[in-house]
Amino acid sequence: GENVEQHPSTLSVQEGDSAVIKCTYSDSASNYFPWYKQELGKRPQLIIDIRSNVGEKKDQRIAVTLNKTAKHFSLHITETQPEDSAVYFCAASKPGTYKYIFGTGTRLKVLA
Amino acid sequence: EAGVTQFPSHSVIEKGQTVTLRCDPISGHDNLYWYRRVMGKEIKFLLHFVKESKQDESGMPNNRFLAERTGGTYSTLKVQPAELEDSGVYFCASSPTGMNTEAFFGQGTRLTVV
Repeated sequence: GENVEQHPSTLSVQEGDSAVIKCTYSDSASNYFPWYKQELGKRPQLIIDIRSNVGEKKDQRIAVTLNKTAKHFSLHITETQPEDSAVYFCAASKPGTYKYIFGTGTRLKVLA
Repeated sequence: EAGVTQFPSHSVIEKGQTVTLRCDPISGHDNLYWYRRVMGKEIKFLLHFVKESKQDESGMPNNRFLAERTGGTYSTLKVQPAELEDSGVYFCASSPTGMNTEAFFGQGTRLTVV
């Protein structure tokens, strides 16, 4: 069935360093890839998304890249800050369906 | 604007009991979704409503789970009878009309079956 693999499950970085989280999806028909951030005790919130007609999207310190051939997409956070500490989820969705297939999450810790 | 709200935030019940979770979507959002996260695993899709109609219920685990959205506003998810493996965080999300639009999540209900 459809699945999304996400790595790593945990990631610790020093404040100011970059963090990269990688996801691989199985269904080549997937065309929409959102990333959600869930801070402790709060709701998951969309931080960035990308559609299959582009290869990269950037929003300030956050960027997402998509390689459709390899079925990979990645989240890049530069100049990490303590408030970036959270669980990050990648997801994939395909035409004809509204549901998201999520990855297992990455717990990011930014060490001050 | 109020976000997606879920009630209760936590529930601890004994195996065999019944629990009903409630979700109030963002006003005007026709699409409502239920997801579940079992500890350490992915957030897994359960079902999708468009207004009051079940559009996709392919993720519902079994017939112990019943979701309703009478009137196309709030939704309930009932688990009866609850089993230990039903423990997890149940998320509700809503989105406006149109595919690939942002799904807004609630804070979730943490269900513990003991």
